[in-house]
Amino acid sequence: AQTVTQSQPEMSVQEAETVTLSCTYDTSESDYYLFWYKQPPSRQMILVIRQEAYKQQNATENRFSVNFQKAAKSFSLKISDSQLGDAAMYFCAFTGANSKLTFGKGITLSVRP
Amino acid sequence: DGGITQSPKYLFRKEGQNVTLSCEQNLNHDAMYWYRQDPGQGLRLIYYSQIVNDFQKGDIAEGYSVSREKKESFPLTVTSAQKNPTAFYLCASLPGQDPRGGELFFGEGSRLTVL
Repeated sequence: AQTVTQSQPEMSVQEAETVTLSCTYDTSESDYYLFWYKQPPSRQMILVIRQEAYKQQNATENRFSVNFQKAAKSFSLKISDSQLGDAAMYFCAFTGANSKLTFGKGITLSVRP
Repeated sequence: DGGITQSPKYLFRKEGQNVTLSCEQNLNHDAMYWYRQDPGQGLRLIYYSQIVNDFQKGDIAEGYSVSREKKESFPLTVTSAQKNPTAFYLCASLPGQDPRGGELFFGEGSRLTVL
C-alpha cells in the first residue's frame, strides 16, 4: 500500500519570501503521479501542481515548483514570492496503478504580512 | 458554470439516524469520489465510482453506502453503523475512467455533526 507523509503540521513564511513544504511517500511502483492540492479557508480544494514519476524534469506552475527526488521518494513544494493568498492547508497526494488518490495529512501554511 | 454541488453544507443529526449527502456534477466526468476530512488526518477515501452502476470501497467504507445510478450523481449515505460520523465530507470528480494523473475537481464540502 502507498503512504504519503507530511511530517510538518504547520509552517510560516514572511510575505515575498520563499517557503518549501516537504512530502515523502512510499511505493513499490515505478509509474505514478504526485500532486499538491491547496485548501484555503473556504475549504474548496484546488490543484496546485502535478508531477509524473517518469518525467525527470521538475514541474513548475508560475510561483510554484517541485523538487522531485524519485530515488529518495521525496516531493517537496516550493512557493516563491509568497503572497497572503497562499495561506492555506496544502496536501501532498499520490496515485498509482490502482488509481486511488492517497493524501497526506496536510500542512497549514500561514503568511506573515 | 460547470462544477460540483454538494448539499447540504451543514447537517445535524441525532445518533442512530441515517443521513444522505448529495453530490451532483455537471462536468460530464466519469469518476466520482467521496472523501472524509478530519483535523490532523488529511483526506481519507470512503468510496469511489469510475462508471455508472459501479463503485468500489475506499479505505474507510464501513458505515457508509453509495449509489451511482446516474453519471452526474453520487450520493453518500452515512448510516447509524458509522461509529464516529462527525466530519467534513468532500465529493470530487475526474474526467475519464482512468483517473491517474488527472485533476480532481472538488465540491465545497458538507459538514456533518452528530448530536
